[in-house]
Amino acid sequence: DTAVSQTPKYLVTQMGNDKSIKCEQNLGHDTMYWYKQDSKKFLKIMFSYNNKELIINETVPNRFSPKSPDKAHLNLHINSLELGDSAVYFCASSPLTDTEAFFGQGTRLTVV
Amino acid sequence: SQQGEEDPQALSIQEGENATMNCSYKTSINNLQWYRQNSGRGLVHLILIRSNEREKHSGRLRVTLDTSKKSSSLLITASRAADTASYFCATDDYDYKLSFGAGTTVTVRA
Repeated sequence: DTAVSQTPKYLVTQMGNDKSIKCEQNLGHDTMYWYKQDSKKFLKIMFSYNNKELIINETVPNRFSPKSPDKAHLNLHINSLELGDSAVYFCASSPLTDTEAFFGQGTRLTVV
Repeated sequence: SQQGEEDPQALSIQEGENATMNCSYKTSINNLQWYRQNSGRGLVHLILIRSNEREKHSGRLRVTLDTSKKSSSLLITASRAADTASYFCATDDYDYKLSFGAGTTVTVRA
């Protein structure tokens, strides 16, 4: 069973479109995250949720809106996609905030 | 924001050799973690060391932490081709997130 699963794995879309990435974890964790990895492999936190509550919004443009319908899901919706949004987006979860994180396999977003 | 910085950026070694990579960070931390990322895959947790610990072992991995120097090292002993990956340190500084550096890319030659 996949612990943290993201869909889709690949997403190619045109500038200006709106897209969503879904994330689900079956580990019973309270905390979930979205990270963005750029072309130089640098990983940056975007959002952190604890028990469906937004804890961290790390200066991400308003075009990015996370939604957590329940503790097991944290989806990412992106409006008006720009070329600079091209990256790999990772969802992760952890049981507590000071323990290891479990990552999904990533969603490679390409904006053309 | 808090960030780990890995050194070197890239490392190429022969199978059977040891690989050492370092991580430096800027402010107080709760714990420091190391992750591995194989090409095109997600990150896999390797080891977590808390701020009151100095050394930790897991199989062929050895991690040290020097909070006075704000640095950590990851040693992989007797490397194998399967160890070829990028390795990231991540700092947990009490604020609901892990802060990552850009990683060290390790290539193990057969």
